[in-house]
Amino acid sequence: DAKTTQPPSMDCAEGRAANLPCNHSTISGNEYVYWYRQIHSQGPQYIIHGLKNNETNEMASLIITEDRKSSTLILPHATLRDTAVYYCIVRVTFSNTGNQFYFGTGTSLTVIP
Amino acid sequence: DAGITQSPRHKVTETGTPVTLRCHQTENHRYMYWYRQDPGHGLRLIHYSYGVKDTDKGEVSDGYSVSRSKTEDFLLTLESATSSQTSVYFCAISESLAGVKETQYFGPGTRLLVL
Repeated sequence: DAKTTQPPSMDCAEGRAANLPCNHSTISGNEYVYWYRQIHSQGPQYIIHGLKNNETNEMASLIITEDRKSSTLILPHATLRDTAVYYCIVRVTFSNTGNQFYFGTGTSLTVIP
Repeated sequence: DAGITQSPRHKVTETGTPVTLRCHQTENHRYMYWYRQDPGHGLRLIHYSYGVKDTDKGEVSDGYSVSRSKTEDFLLTLESATSSQTSVYFCAISESLAGVKETQYFGPGTRLLVL
């Protein structure tokens, strides 16, 4: 079962904020939300993650709704190099030996000059 | 990249032949993972390791085996490759299962084509 739902594609003007939505309506209380991106065919790159509170780092901000059923990744000033596929992921701890990241099919973000 | 290399980066093989992919890390992280990426499926976990000689199955483990004889290396073996195993394979590592150190860092990937 899909744990996250994202729009397949989005465009954003260069220099503007890119807001990427994600629905995770079946998320459990101890499951984290992670965001990664993948440029061309490179390995996924970590962006940010959170549990309940909003988070910010040098790359982006993560806004999680109070009921935790959805979140938004914000790239404050998108550049052409931010063109990539963005994955919203739920991290599930399924044993005391490992976590599993459930990747969906992501949102293809195109930053337009 | 967080000190992760994968080899080979590209491989073409024939159905029925064995194939081994290698993931090497220089971070001394305890946990290592193998994923495959196919169009329309995102990334799916194949196997993972939680220590030397300690491994377990992921979501799509059929047809794959793994081994980890030392901390820095995690091998993925296709005993008898099939065309359905044509994919891009990514290795990932993480330091912990909890907190910020659980973040997984990914290698550059291996493109495998099974003819």
